[in-house]
Amino acid sequence: NAGVTQTPKFQVLKTGQSMTLQCAQDMNHNSMYWYRQDPGMGLRLIYYSASEGTTDKGEVPNGYNVSRLNKREFSLRLESAAPSQTSVYFCACYLDTQYFGPGTRLTVL
Amino acid sequence: QKEVEQNSGPLSVPEGAIASLNCTYSDRGSQSFFWYRQYSGKSPELIMSIYSNGDKEDGRFTAQLNKASQYVSLLIRDSQPSDSATYLCAARLIYNQGGKLIFGQGTELSVKP
Repeated sequence: NAGVTQTPKFQVLKTGQSMTLQCAQDMNHNSMYWYRQDPGMGLRLIYYSASEGTTDKGEVPNGYNVSRLNKREFSLRLESAAPSQTSVYFCACYLDTQYFGPGTRLTVL
Repeated sequence: QKEVEQNSGPLSVPEGAIASLNCTYSDRGSQSFFWYRQYSGKSPELIMSIYSNGDKEDGRFTAQLNKASQYVSLLIRDSQPSDSATYLCAARLIYNQGGKLIFGQGTELSVKP
């Protein structure tokens, strides 16, 4: 996971609470991604940013917002968390392929 | 139909055997292909990439690509218990902006001692 960091590693929320997942990369890559991973569902793309200042929806964007703060940082926000958002969240950046951060395990009660 | 499909498994092989993992894709615009390994509770890590038809070998791993038949495979020779993990196949479409990848759902491999 060298080069891509995520915070926090674990989080428990109550339904309706909000939070922001942080991702930072020191690999000087333009493209960054947010995925969620659920058992049996593989990796599903939530949002991505092809370059600083641009963001695009992925496969499952509902209930999430993102901010590409600068070239290094790409944050994912849950405005009103729901139990269906319980998942493991991965941030990734792209050079010749995608490199993943260590993940955030989120539980929404 | 999912754009990238894998058998979810689990695939169980004895130690020392060859493990064969398969992946098919639907979009002929797919250009580059990747195999990631994911241990339980960890993030995916790249183990092989392949861009042209044929075989690519790296140690005990061989990736095979057949664009005409639209499949990619990963062979693991002399399988070890430490190879037990979920293997994700991913494809990059030629027109994808910013390196977006399409992932399969993963195949769970179990290597029995």
